[in-house]
Amino acid sequence: GQQLNQSPQSMFIQEGEDVSMNCTSSSIFNTWLWYKQEPGEGPVLLIALYKAGELTSNGRLTAQFGITRKDSFLNISASIPSDVGIYFCAGPTSGTYKYIFGTGTRLKVLA
Amino acid sequence: DVKVTQSSRYLVKRTGEKVFLECVQDMDHENMFWYRQDPGLGLRLIYFSYDVKMKEKGDIPEGYSVSREKKERFSLILESASTNQTSMYLCASSWTGATEAFFGQGTRLTVV
Repeated sequence: GQQLNQSPQSMFIQEGEDVSMNCTSSSIFNTWLWYKQEPGEGPVLLIALYKAGELTSNGRLTAQFGITRKDSFLNISASIPSDVGIYFCAGPTSGTYKYIFGTGTRLKVLA
Repeated sequence: DVKVTQSSRYLVKRTGEKVFLECVQDMDHENMFWYRQDPGLGLRLIYFSYDVKMKEKGDIPEGYSVSREKKERFSLILESASTNQTSMYLCASSWTGATEAFFGQGTRLTVV
């Protein structure tokens, strides 16, 4: 099935560093969702974005809905060891009930 | 808080067995979904339901069926389990309009 392209695929960073990742699509989305999945668990919704240009924060996480509506960005500031996991972007496809998911960014934080 | 609960975290079943995976949500969501997640393949949609007794095939429905007799409950059925159905199964739900989707904790199924 269709997937959203996420980059980078994986990141190894030092505790305290800031992290940036993005998600791109060839199609326009009206909603962007960001999830975190820890090993052996289901994805947990972090941030939802509904308007082009929107910037939304959730603690140390900040996400932006790209102006073109074809991309979105997630930033994590001052990373800590519990930020480890896989971060997915997702968007509902227009006119259907289905969601398209990103390929995921695997984050590892070194203490 | 939205809660999507899957009945089992881990299951081990034998080839040929009929397997039931249950999912319950407490937010009165119209839409419910079953995905499987495999390394390198991401999340793939098996089936979804937009109302009681209504269902639509996703991208990989072969070997699976579903049941939605009540709004809060969506069951995935493996008619005759095979080893290639060993995977992480994720249930999700959302309101009509396909806004945020909320996931359960996942069921790791191993077919031996």
